[in-house]
Amino acid sequence: EAQVTQNPRYLITVTGKKLTVTCSQNMNHEYMSWYRQDPGLGLRQIYYSMNVEVTDKGDVPEGYKVSRKEKRNFPLILESPSPNQTSLYFCASSLGFDSSYEQYFGPGTRLTVT
Amino acid sequence: AQKVTQAQTEISVVEKEDVTLDCVYETRDTTYYLFWYKQPPSGELVFLIRRNSFDEQNEISGRYSWNFQKSTSSFNFTITASQVVDSAVYFCALRPNYGGATNKLIFGTGTLLAVQP
Repeated sequence: EAQVTQNPRYLITVTGKKLTVTCSQNMNHEYMSWYRQDPGLGLRQIYYSMNVEVTDKGDVPEGYKVSRKEKRNFPLILESPSPNQTSLYFCASSLGFDSSYEQYFGPGTRLTVT
Repeated sequence: AQKVTQAQTEISVVEKEDVTLDCVYETRDTTYYLFWYKQPPSGELVFLIRRNSFDEQNEISGRYSWNFQKSTSSFNFTITASQVVDSAVYFCALRPNYGGATNKLIFGTGTLLAVQP
């Protein structure tokens, strides 16, 4: 089954404790991205990647890192999480970065930073 | 500016009522895509529809219908005979097509629809 998976689905952590949220897709997609969803703000793009070793900032990249060492994986790294990073995070992928390509979303990761 | 506005923060209706969710967008592009997603209480994003900017035909899918009007930059979503299972947050999104597109979706802030039995 074609899908985007994220792990963990739920995470409660403390300020400053490094964490990684994994994202994996099995569709051989080139383009992957991360969004965060906050009340009253909708979803905003954090980072995106157009292919292996090619990443760039989205609209709200501060406090996050990403890497794309393999085509299928695009982990989101919070090296020193803070309470303002408490949010619902979505990973998405598409065949290419052209706007005509459909994006597929993962199930979301709900992160709480205390 | 590229922007999506969903002015209705929350809507409450009684089951079987019709309800329209408004979406107004701004973009400088002539080619773009518009989307609606549903987010039920479980949290996942469920794709409902994609519309190309060159296709202004309205679309109907069961109880759902969409009215795309470029003249007013609107892409409204109507649920006919609403049901409790329609209770969710609904997002409208825009994907512009500017050169070197990041394939980024620009989301509205969402409308929470509560359908009361």
